[in-house]
Amino acid sequence: SQQGEEDPQALSIQEGENATMNCSYKTSINNLQWYRQNSGRGLVHLILIRSNEREKHSGRLRVTLDTSKKSSSLLITASRAADTASYFCATASGGSYIPTFGRGTSLIVHP
Amino acid sequence: DAGVIQSPRHEVTEMGQEVTLRCKPISGHNSLFWYRQTMMRGLELLIYFNNNVPIDDSGMPEDRFSAKMPNASFSTLKIQPSEPRDSAVYFCASSLPLYEQYFGPGTRLTVT
Repeated sequence: SQQGEEDPQALSIQEGENATMNCSYKTSINNLQWYRQNSGRGLVHLILIRSNEREKHSGRLRVTLDTSKKSSSLLITASRAADTASYFCATASGGSYIPTFGRGTSLIVHP
Repeated sequence: DAGVIQSPRHEVTEMGQEVTLRCKPISGHNSLFWYRQTMMRGLELLIYFNNNVPIDDSGMPEDRFSAKMPNASFSTLKIQPSEPRDSAVYFCASSLPLYEQYFGPGTRLTVT
């Protein structure tokens, strides 16, 4: 099963700055999801974008999908210390709706 | 809704002992997933159920691992006998088909 790969592995920024994380994958997908995991907690779903969509917004989050490049990006605008977490992309492909998770990007936002 | 409930939250056991992890999915969700998370291997899907039926258990590491879902509101993951390399955080998640997954808080298992 394919697995998305997040880039960078780690990101450290100051509060108020924007944070951009990328996810690349190898085969055609049905949808791509982004999740957040705070330390010691379970994953929390952020956004699902389907293969026929190019961009979605949710509050300070913006997700883009470029199927020609097989990549997605997650932008967090005006970051806050509370955004400190690991962010995972998960892809579902072929006849399966079951997502496969990448290794994640660790984001630290300094107050 | 209380969300996905897992118990225990922490489990410390000795090698060779049986370990049982428990999960209560969100009411109405008919898909349930068991994951294992470690630093080395990331988040791995162990098994998932649809309408209480195991659909894909190809991620289960070996015969020491077994999972059951006797009804729509309860699932167990059992490890017998446990080994130190089984130490990890085990997550249960539930969802409706084609929709996002809701994760429980996880069970941190330490096998000494």
